[in-house]
Amino acid sequence: KNEVEQSPQNLTAQEGEFITINCSYSVGISALHWLQQHPGGGIVSLFMLSSGKKKHGRLIATINIQEKHSSLHITASHPRDSAVYICAVCPTGTASKLTFGTGTRLQVTL
Amino acid sequence: DSGVTQTPKHLITATGQRVTLRCSPRSGDLSVYWYQQSLDQGLQFLIHYYNGEERAKGNILERFSAQQFPDLHSELNLSSLELGDSALYFCASSRGLAAYNEQFFGPGTRLTVL
Repeated sequence: KNEVEQSPQNLTAQEGEFITINCSYSVGISALHWLQQHPGGGIVSLFMLSSGKKKHGRLIATINIQEKHSSLHITASHPRDSAVYICAVCPTGTASKLTFGTGTRLQVTL
Repeated sequence: DSGVTQTPKHLITATGQRVTLRCSPRSGDLSVYWYQQSLDQGLQFLIHYYNGEERAKGNILERFSAQQFPDLHSELNLSSLELGDSALYFCASSRGLAAYNEQFFGPGTRLTVL
């Protein structure tokens, strides 16, 4: 079993829909990252969370440390949101190491 | 543009060969991380350097080595290449020492081993 599990693996949505991507992890962590990988391969850091909730534009990320769970929400989705979204955790005691989920592939259609 | 540069963008080579991938971090960033992304394994942490010193190793093969130079650029050396080494190799940089700091990713080097 992977230390970091994401669901769903694939997601298709219509423009304007509210989207939720989930990340569950099995180890203690000091932080969790959400990353976006574009179809061309480039990776962008969206959020770093250690508690609570963060919002940036149409993106919202939440984390529940006790339940070892994080969610990434996209409001009013748009075709340009089509990408792979990757959750990565920094396990406690391993300050340098990120452990990655396998990603959620999102396709937003018109 | 993240400010992190990687060269080359693409590399095609043969089994048994040796290659060097180069990464220049964002101005002011002292940490450089190397990651490998293959189709079957996803993203994996390879190694972390901070201000010229190796700080942590992940799933890095003994055939692979890296260093960070005084000007803070880093090189990842891959030797005795095998077909399974074909992957995207990313570097990322950050200001601080710990992986919970925001990381800025380079565009990646796509390595194909034939």
